[in-house]
Amino acid sequence: GAGVSQSPSNKVTEKGKDVELRCDPISGHTALYWYRQSLGQGLEFLIYFQGNSAPDKSGLPSDRFSAERTGGSVSTLTIQRTQQEDSAVYLCASSFHHNEQFFGPGTRLTVL
Amino acid sequence: KQEVTQIPAALSVPEGENLVLNCSFTDSAIYNLQWFRQDPGKGLTSLLLIQSSQREQTSGRLNASLDKSSGRSTLYIAASQPGDSATYLCAVTPRSGANSKLTFGKGITLSVRP
Repeated sequence: GAGVSQSPSNKVTEKGKDVELRCDPISGHTALYWYRQSLGQGLEFLIYFQGNSAPDKSGLPSDRFSAERTGGSVSTLTIQRTQQEDSAVYLCASSFHHNEQFFGPGTRLTVL
Repeated sequence: KQEVTQIPAALSVPEGENLVLNCSFTDSAIYNLQWFRQDPGKGLTSLLLIQSSQREQTSGRLNASLDKSSGRSTLYIAASQPGDSATYLCAVTPRSGANSKLTFGKGITLSVRP
């Protein structure tokens, strides 16, 4: 079956611009996660959605970052007023409740 | 705060060798542990998931073990092949709370020489 998909695969933007990253989870998965992978920092958790519960935003690095999950499916991660330190690979994952997480291919964001 | 450590950061072995990748974590209150593989420029591929109540899981040439009390997991790769060259990451999910976010180690970059 279809796995987790993310778009775009690459995004180059200028400092100060807003960007939106999209994630389509595996159908039927109740949980959706966003992670960020950057050189020297490894993989770090950003935000977590589980069903209709309030999202856990504890990993978001600043208030420039926000995410939505519409209809319990597709999620969008928005970064406002991008900074060069936001350059990283943004990975989305989904799972059925607390079980095995499956990752998408990621979006490579470059802020010039 | 949970910390996951993977040492060494890089490993090079000749083809055919059996090898063990180590992972340690500081808080034994985990729900499960997952091993992933990441190829350059790609996302993560799940290899094995071990629930906290389990001791090991096997898939093909891979075997992962878990010793929760000592905060350790190992990934055993039998008869390594050049195609096994990749970065291997382990990650744990906390037992408490409703959030099953993964805490990752920094990974071990494996190179299998033909």
